[in-house]
Amino acid sequence: DTAVSQTPKYLVTQMGNDKSIKCEQNLGHDTMYWYKQDSKKFLKIMFSYNNKELIINETVPNRFSPKSPDKAHLNLHINSLELGDSAVYFCASSADRAYGNTIYFGEGSWLTVV
Amino acid sequence: DQQVKQNSPSLSVQEGRISILNCDYTNSMFDYFLWYKKYPAEGPTFLISISSIKDKNEDGRFTVFLNKSAKHLSLHIVPSQPGDSAVYFCAASIYGGSQGNLIFGKGTKLSVKP
Repeated sequence: DTAVSQTPKYLVTQMGNDKSIKCEQNLGHDTMYWYKQDSKKFLKIMFSYNNKELIINETVPNRFSPKSPDKAHLNLHINSLELGDSAVYFCASSADRAYGNTIYFGEGSWLTVV
Repeated sequence: DQQVKQNSPSLSVQEGRISILNCDYTNSMFDYFLWYKKYPAEGPTFLISISSIKDKNEDGRFTVFLNKSAKHLSLHIVPSQPGDSAVYFCAASIYGGSQGNLIFGKGTKLSVKP
């Protein structure tokens, strides 16, 4: 019974394509995130949503657009994919924005752009 | 600009011995620190945390030590077990800042040999 689930787990696509990664959490959390782990293994936050409202939007190209239809879902849509977008994308959630809340991660989506 | 640094990319320890993973940070505003454990092809899972008002937090075989003056924290695992073999990420955050915006280190790969 996965708490934070994301699909697809693996995605290989060509440059210029548009793709989406879906994320759902069944923990009843109010806040959801997208993190990116690049080739240098750094895990960096991309976006944070609290109750469907965008809270954090780090310096991410406009080609990346998160969409939160409800507080249990946060999907990531990427337009005009580039080679440099190849990375592992982790969805995550936490109870709220309160200090010290544990963030729970999904298993990751391995995106390869060729 | 790495605000959270894990200078040892890997560590090998014999089963039953102590594993010590180190983490340094540069931002004195950080006041909450976490350790995450990650197995291959899985998302990071929360292990243990410590707030800046403490210098030690213990949970079973895992203990985190915080030295604020040195801007250094460490994770001790005693005794180490083969199942502890994973990548360990140190993370830090700031209360009142972009809550949930965890800044991660690059990780240390721990191998515990039977």
